[in-house]
Amino acid sequence: GAVVSQHPSWVICKSGTSVKIECRSLDFQATTMFWYRQFPKQSLMLMATSNEGSKATYEQGVEKDKFLINHASLTLSTLTVTSAHPEDSSFYICSAPQGTSSYNSPLHFGNGTRLTVT
Amino acid sequence: KNQVEQSPQSLIILEGKNCTLQCNYTVSPFSNLRWYKQDTGRGPVSLTIMTFSENTKSNGRYTATLDADTKQSSLHITASQLSDSASYICVVTRDDKIIFGKGTRLHILP
Repeated sequence: GAVVSQHPSWVICKSGTSVKIECRSLDFQATTMFWYRQFPKQSLMLMATSNEGSKATYEQGVEKDKFLINHASLTLSTLTVTSAHPEDSSFYICSAPQGTSSYNSPLHFGNGTRLTVT
Repeated sequence: KNQVEQSPQSLIILEGKNCTLQCNYTVSPFSNLRWYKQDTGRGPVSLTIMTFSENTKSNGRYTATLDADTKQSSLHITASQLSDSASYICVVTRDDKIIFGKGTRLHILP
């Protein structure tokens, strides 16, 4: 069964508004969660690494003031797309490693959020 | 440069046939290699994970192989089903990084 729950699965918003996406690990704690963006027929692109209790680590070229990440508990990370523009329309996916190693433990993915900005 | 290259980019086969997907990588130091299946509009689901010392791993009709010397992996699908239509992503991990391939889009025709 699904061990990472992502919500909402799809959202439509108007340009200039903000959208929050939640990622929850079920039945396990995750000190680290990863946020990705995926364009049609493209691979997953890592946007940022969310760390519980500390600041997220953003990949080069990702605006941290636009994509706000909060990892307030060991089971929940949120990604907020602020002042959304049509070019932010994409498929956003989170993942969480189930284990002590962020890079060697089984990695579970959420089912993604389809964001459409009109 | 740490890269993961997958081939073919897309593949169409008839239901019931077998197929093999390829993954070549230049990631170093190597930690593990994973294959994921991603249905359209869904998140990836793990099929197999292999460490340096493992040559093959099966998960039902999916069998992954790993040659750490040549840095090549393959995913063999036996007796394909319509539900196998998806993208298959090869993922190679270092101790500090996860590198995704671009995936192979597989289409199964009835």
